[in-house]
Amino acid sequence: QKEVEQNSGPLSVPEGAIASLNCTYSDRGSQSFFWYRQYSGKSPELIMSIYSNGDKEDGRFTAQLNKASQYVSLLIRDSQPSDSATYLCAVMNQGGKLIFGQGTELSVKP
Amino acid sequence: DTAVSQTPKYLVTQMGNDKSIKCEQNLGHDTMYWYKQDSKKFLKIMFSYNNKELIINETVPNRFSPKSPDKAHLNLHINSLELGDSAVYFCASSQEGIQAFFGQGTRLTVV
Repeated sequence: QKEVEQNSGPLSVPEGAIASLNCTYSDRGSQSFFWYRQYSGKSPELIMSIYSNGDKEDGRFTAQLNKASQYVSLLIRDSQPSDSATYLCAVMNQGGKLIFGQGTELSVKP
Repeated sequence: DTAVSQTPKYLVTQMGNDKSIKCEQNLGHDTMYWYKQDSKKFLKIMFSYNNKELIINETVPNRFSPKSPDKAHLNLHINSLELGDSAVYFCASSQEGIQAFFGQGTRLTVV
């Protein structure tokens, strides 16, 4: 089992729709969870962090964490073509290692 | 001011050569990382240093040797470069489990 797993996609949504990105992780003791966005040829940039169960909202982005199910998700409301990128789920495990999933490529069609 | 800076941004070299990539952070973070991103975009951790001490050393060929002269710098030296080493290498830093900030990446091409 991979330590952090995401659907690789590509995920295609129409402009204005909600994009839903999912991630599962294997280390039950993990405490810190992140979503990064990476445009082609650029470095990853943090868009959301979440540390406790439940939802965390920031503008059009909502991160959801369920530690019992070892599941993290990211919702992007009112998706824009500029949201087209690869979204990387990252988990800080108990050993202090920041581990990334393989990324989900999102394409928002005008 | 760039928070995490890597040099060089591009590196093209022949097989068998030795090369170094430098990384510096001005965020005052204690932890620095090296990641390798392959053509499939998977970011794989290679090394992590905390306050100049190696804390994570993944299964990486021993041709790769990190060096941290102080907590603001983490360099990566690669000996006897191979074709399979071609990738983008990212340096990152973080503080106590808070988000990691990434450098702009070094695209290494071995020919």
